[in-house]
Amino acid sequence: DAGVIQSPRHEVTEMGQEVTLRCKPISGHDYLFWYRQTMMRGLELLIYFNNNVPIDDSGMPEDRFSAKMPNASFSTLKIQPSEPRDSAVYFCASSFKFTEAFFGQGTRLTVV
Amino acid sequence: AQSVAQPEDQVNVAEGNPLTVKCTYSVSGNPYLFWYVQYPNRGLQFLLKYITGDNLVKGSYGFEAEFNKSQTSFHLKKPSALVSDSALYFCAVRDMINFNKFYFGSGTKLNVKP
Repeated sequence: DAGVIQSPRHEVTEMGQEVTLRCKPISGHDYLFWYRQTMMRGLELLIYFNNNVPIDDSGMPEDRFSAKMPNASFSTLKIQPSEPRDSAVYFCASSFKFTEAFFGQGTRLTVV
Repeated sequence: AQSVAQPEDQVNVAEGNPLTVKCTYSVSGNPYLFWYVQYPNRGLQFLLKYITGDNLVKGSYGFEAEFNKSQTSFHLKKPSALVSDSALYFCAVRDMINFNKFYFGSGTKLNVKP
């Protein structure tokens, strides 16, 4: 398996624009996590899914953030409208049941 | 509340010396514990885990970790540090009671000097 695949790797957008980050988890994994990493706040759990169902979205900072998992092999994290303070590295990770999670390479988002 | 604490922002060690990166945790039930490493501009890489069994677990790149239930700790260790071990290390706990939620510590930057 190629591991967790995230796209794009880098995204630069203007304030107010919609941003969509994409994730393909490892085949067979039933948990999918979205994290945000910044120098100030470290690694924050935004939302996670089990069998495509959102379990806990309490980490989503605002209503501008939304996430979907339409099927077992694809998830999106959308920010609309984007703001400069959303600039961060966004990671997707997947796991099988309660074992270790495997992380993607991340998407570095810059909102100018 | 469930949490993971890494009390040291940074650990400095000379190459060839043993290293320890500290982690303490707090969960409601039995802990599932993990260590990850992150190199610059990369994602987190899994190093090792404790689920059950021996308190000393061995992982990738010569790292090991010791689970101590009475002290609620899961410290990462390596007998002889390499310069290439310099990176950011994260401790994590999976909360089996709280829907398998994954909590990460704040990270510890390990600097290994030649």
